[in-house]
Amino acid sequence: EAGVAQSPRYKIIEKRQSVAFWCNPISGHATLYWYQQILGQGPKLLIQFQNNGVVDDSQLPKDRFSAERLKGVDSTLKIQPAKLEDSAVYLCASSLNVAGDEQYFGPGTRLTVT
Amino acid sequence: AQRVTQPEKLLSVFKGAPVELKCNYSYSGSPELFWYVQYSRQRLQLLLRHISRESIKGFTADLNKGETSFHLKKPFAQEEDSAMYYCAPPSGSARQLTFGSGTQLTVLP
Repeated sequence: EAGVAQSPRYKIIEKRQSVAFWCNPISGHATLYWYQQILGQGPKLLIQFQNNGVVDDSQLPKDRFSAERLKGVDSTLKIQPAKLEDSAVYLCASSLNVAGDEQYFGPGTRLTVT
Repeated sequence: AQRVTQPEKLLSVFKGAPVELKCNYSYSGSPELFWYVQYSRQRLQLLLRHISRESIKGFTADLNKGETSFHLKKPFAQEEDSAMYYCAPPSGSARQLTFGSGTQLTVLP
């Protein structure tokens, strides 16, 4: 089966610019996750969707980050405006359902904010 | 909030030696603890989960509820085990995963 797809793979922007990331989960997976992984740290959950509803967005900086999952399939994560500390790898993952299921990760998008 | 500690950022062992990667967490209401692994130039992937009690690639993980630890062990390390390993206990009502900071394992020839 095809894995989780993400684009772009790399992005370099200047601070205060906007950026958007796209994720296509594995077909049939109800749950979709966005993680932020800063260099030297483990992935940190930003937002979790169950179909097209938000399950948890407690760690999403809502003043600048937004995410949507229209039609319960693809998802986009947006940062507006970007700050230097947003430089990180943004990982998308999906799982069949929620609790206890294996998460399948995409290759990630490496964002550099200058 | 769940806190996860992986005390070793870097760990090197020789091929054939035993290896133990430590993980301590603050609380768990569930036996569904996970270890994820990222090999060089590959995606993050599930290595094993406690609830299945299986051995994957020779690795096992012992859950010690008293010590709130979930250490990953392998009796004889292989060079292909070199990778970054993340402990991930769940928390929250939806059992979201909290990842540790990871341990980079290098198995020397």
